[in-house]
Amino acid sequence: GNSVTQMEGPVTLSEEAFLTINCTYTATGYPSLFWYVQYPGEGLQLLLKATKADDKGSNKGFEATYRKETTSFHLEKGSVQVSDSAVYFCALTNTGTASKLTFGTGTRLQVTL
Amino acid sequence: GAVVSQHPSRVICKSGTSVKIECRSLDFQATTMFWYRQFPKQSLMLMATSNEGSKATYEQGVEKDKFLINHASLTLSTLTVTSAHPEDSSFYICSARVWGGSYEQYFGPGTRLTVT
Repeated sequence: GNSVTQMEGPVTLSEEAFLTINCTYTATGYPSLFWYVQYPGEGLQLLLKATKADDKGSNKGFEATYRKETTSFHLEKGSVQVSDSAVYFCALTNTGTASKLTFGTGTRLQVTL
Repeated sequence: GAVVSQHPSRVICKSGTSVKIECRSLDFQATTMFWYRQFPKQSLMLMATSNEGSKATYEQGVEKDKFLINHASLTLSTLTVTSAHPEDSSFYICSARVWGGSYEQYFGPGTRLTVT
C-alpha cells in the first residue's frame, strides 16, 4: 500500500535559516505529491504540489521536487520567517485509490527570532 | 476560490448526546468529500469518503453507525457523531474534491469536538 515517511520534529530554526523537511514515499504507479501546512487551531492548507517526476512545486518561497529515483519530495525554503511556524504534512494520492490522500505524520516547525 | 467551510468550529456536548458537523464547499461543486479525524500532535486519519447521492465508504475500524455521514448535495456533507463519548473528543476535518478537477483536496478549518 501507499505510505509516507517524514522526518520527526520538532524542527527549531532561527529566522532566516534554511529549512529542509525530508519526505519519502512508497506507492504503486505514479502518485501525485503534496505538502500541506497546518497553522495552530486551523485546518490544512495546500502549500504546493507536483504531479509527475521531476516537477517542482513552489509557493511562498517553499519548494519541493518530485524525485522518482529516490522516491522523495523534500520541502525546502531558503529563509524561514516566524510566520512559517506550523505543522507541515507530506502527502500523496494515487489515481488507483479514489484520490484518497495518504499523509505523513507531520513535522512541527518552530521559527524563533 | 476552492473554499471549504465547517460549522461549528467548536462544540462541547454531554456524553450520550449527538452532534452534527457541517462541511460546505462555498464556491465549487464537490462530488466527493472526505472526513478526517486528528488526534493531538498526530496526523490525519481518514474516516470515510462521501460521494454525493450515495452511501459513504468507511475506512476499516470506523463505526458507520456511530459516525453518520450524509452527502445530500454537491456542496454539503454532514457528519453526525451519535451517542458521543469522551473518547470521541477530537479535531474533525473535512475536505472536498472539485468535481471534474484534479485529485487535489481542499480542506475545511476543522471542528473541535469536546465531549464531557
